[in-house]
Amino acid sequence: SAVISQKPSRDICQRGTSLTIQCQVDSQVTMMFWYRQQPGQSLTLIATANQGSEATYESGFVIDKFPISRPNLTFSTLTVSNMSPEDSSIYLCSVEGTGDLTDTQYFGPGTRLTVL
Amino acid sequence: AQTVTQSQPEMSVQEAETVTLSCTYDTSESDYYLFWYKQPPSRQMILVIRQEAYKQQNATENRFSVNFQKAAKSFSLKISDSQLGDAAMYFCAYRLMEYGNKLVFGAGTILRVKS
Repeated sequence: SAVISQKPSRDICQRGTSLTIQCQVDSQVTMMFWYRQQPGQSLTLIATANQGSEATYESGFVIDKFPISRPNLTFSTLTVSNMSPEDSSIYLCSVEGTGDLTDTQYFGPGTRLTVL
Repeated sequence: AQTVTQSQPEMSVQEAETVTLSCTYDTSESDYYLFWYKQPPSRQMILVIRQEAYKQQNATENRFSVNFQKAAKSFSLKISDSQLGDAAMYFCAYRLMEYGNKLVFGAGTILRVKS
């Protein structure tokens, strides 16, 4: 499976500010995904990012709050804008596998965000 | 809407023993994929095992195996010879076929391994 890295691994931010999270993959992938995991909760898909097109957002998530970039096939960013304490979560990116494993998602190490 | 239910918030197992984590799901599709992911305290989501719905044979990966009952919409994970490193949160997930590669996750089961 691909090697996925995320930056930063964790951050503490003040309310009203924005944070951009980076996701880097060591191979080219068509689809990348961004998930949110609130404290003690399961994962919820924020959006799907395809290279060369606008990200597709899930119900309850909007582009103004979570703008996503996908400039090439190995990189994506998620920005959490105008943060509030409710945005404190782990944010994870994932990518689809290759070959016979395109139906399977592999996850990055996550970014732990705390908003004060 | 597709849902995934993990009815066991927490399970415990003695080291070297066997434990089964349950998962049920609701779908109207006939072709789909099911997954178990493990999330240790490091928070990395690690794929444990995957099952293709059109395959009747239960998937196995070393000490991990599933009991896939398609008619009952049940997908349990059996961990044999449990090890301390198996302690983690385990998530069952279902992949929607109709929309990209979207995963729907269950609420998770915390597995504690006693030495």
